[in-house]
Amino acid sequence: KQEVTQIPAALSVPEGENLVLNCSFTDSAIYNLQWFRQDPGKGLTSLLLIQSSQREQTSGRLNASLDKSSGRSTLYIAASQPGDSATYLCGNYGQNFVFGPGTRLSVLP
Amino acid sequence: DTEVTQTPKHLVMGMTNKKSLKCEQHMGHRAMYWYKQKAKKPPELMFVYSYEKLSINESVPSRFSPECPNSSLLNLHLHALQPEDSALYLCASSQVLRGNGGYTFGSGTRLTVV
Repeated sequence: KQEVTQIPAALSVPEGENLVLNCSFTDSAIYNLQWFRQDPGKGLTSLLLIQSSQREQTSGRLNASLDKSSGRSTLYIAASQPGDSATYLCGNYGQNFVFGPGTRLSVLP
Repeated sequence: DTEVTQTPKHLVMGMTNKKSLKCEQHMGHRAMYWYKQKAKKPPELMFVYSYEKLSINESVPSRFSPECPNSSLLNLHLHALQPEDSALYLCASSQVLRGNGGYTFGSGTRLTVV
């Protein structure tokens, strides 16, 4: 069964910093890679989807890349803001949709 | 319409009650999913429906009973739940099972079993 890990588990940074969140898979059979954000007690909001034939996607201050050979994905957040504070989850289709445990991000004003 | 709508948003039920959670989407997606999420944990897959047929059941106890009446609607019927079943229940949909499109999630139903 595929396992997904996310590093770091938690991150606290001052406003304005650029930061990197990491996601790794034990099974390199990645169909699609999707990054979500989740606010406490809320549902998941899709941030970026990298389809199996793609290597990266960008949306505003967010950039996600995928290296299928190593089974790793990176989410880059530029010029972080307090409103970015949330839990960030990565998910991989593979056999079934599997989520990482998430990175809890806190951006301090 | 690009949303997945879940009702109710909050539900408190006793262990002898019967209740249902509802999920609806009008994006033409043919795969729909139920997930359970405990606090500070990632969502865990419960059921997958593909073209209105149950495709995956992740060994979920029979006190949870899914139903897909049509391509836009997914229900989760609850009966004789335990306090440990208290969680956030999330519904999601995708164009097809294991397709190239992404997942769209609803905002969830916060369930408390007393």
